[in-house]
Amino acid sequence: DIQMTQSPSSLSASVGDRVTITCRASQSISSFLNWYQMRPGKAPKLLIYAASSLQSGVPSRFSGSGSGTDFTLTISSLQPEDFATYYCQQSNRTPWTFGQGTKVEIK
Amino acid sequence: QVQLQESGPGLVKPSETLSLTCIVSGGSISSYYWIWIRQTPGKGLEWIGHSYYGGTTTSNPSLRSRVTISVDTAKNQFSLKLTSVTAADTAVYFCARDGVGSGSIFDYWGQGSLVTVSS
Repeated sequence: DIQMTQSPSSLSASVGDRVTITCRASQSISSFLNWYQMRPGKAPKLLIYAASSLQSGVPSRFSGSGSGTDFTLTISSLQPEDFATYYCQQSNRTPWTFGQGTKVEIK
Repeated sequence: QVQLQESGPGLVKPSETLSLTCIVSGGSISSYYWIWIRQTPGKGLEWIGHSYYGGTTTSNPSLRSRVTISVDTAKNQFSLKLTSVTAADTAVYFCARDGVGSGSIFDYWGQGSLVTVSS
């Protein structure tokens, strides 16, 4: 299975901050990388697919980059509704696998 | 707006079969891939498997022998059956849809259903 490793596991930030989360795959996955947001009591939300494509309806402050084994999710200006846990997921080869998550908390 | 809602027992006894249903509203189930994912504190998010509405099913090798996913186009819902459960199958179970890729990109999710395996 392809292992996905996110860093950091958690971070504290303020509204308006720029936040960057990284995800590393145990082998090359080209651009087959997706990002999700999870908040308690809410359905998880697809933010980015194919490493850098913004899902319809997702604010443009979210962006993704990377290819091969190293990927980044950036939130350009953190908003109150962005405090959540973020997960990467590889869609290169089954079984599809997820990172362990990055929790973004209020500073 | 597509919405997914999981339903099923919250408590299952060890060795029995876990059964969950995902009701799809706001769109037809007669296309796309339909997915089950679970989340545990220990293993995090784990893809269980997916089924295309036409019947092709793929599942995680770690669970394959115990998993059945089926799509009911008449009721616009799909289901998961996981046999011979143990405490390790205690998790929040999510249903999801892939409207973008080939079973690998999850653009709509349910809110999740906690299933506890205990006698």
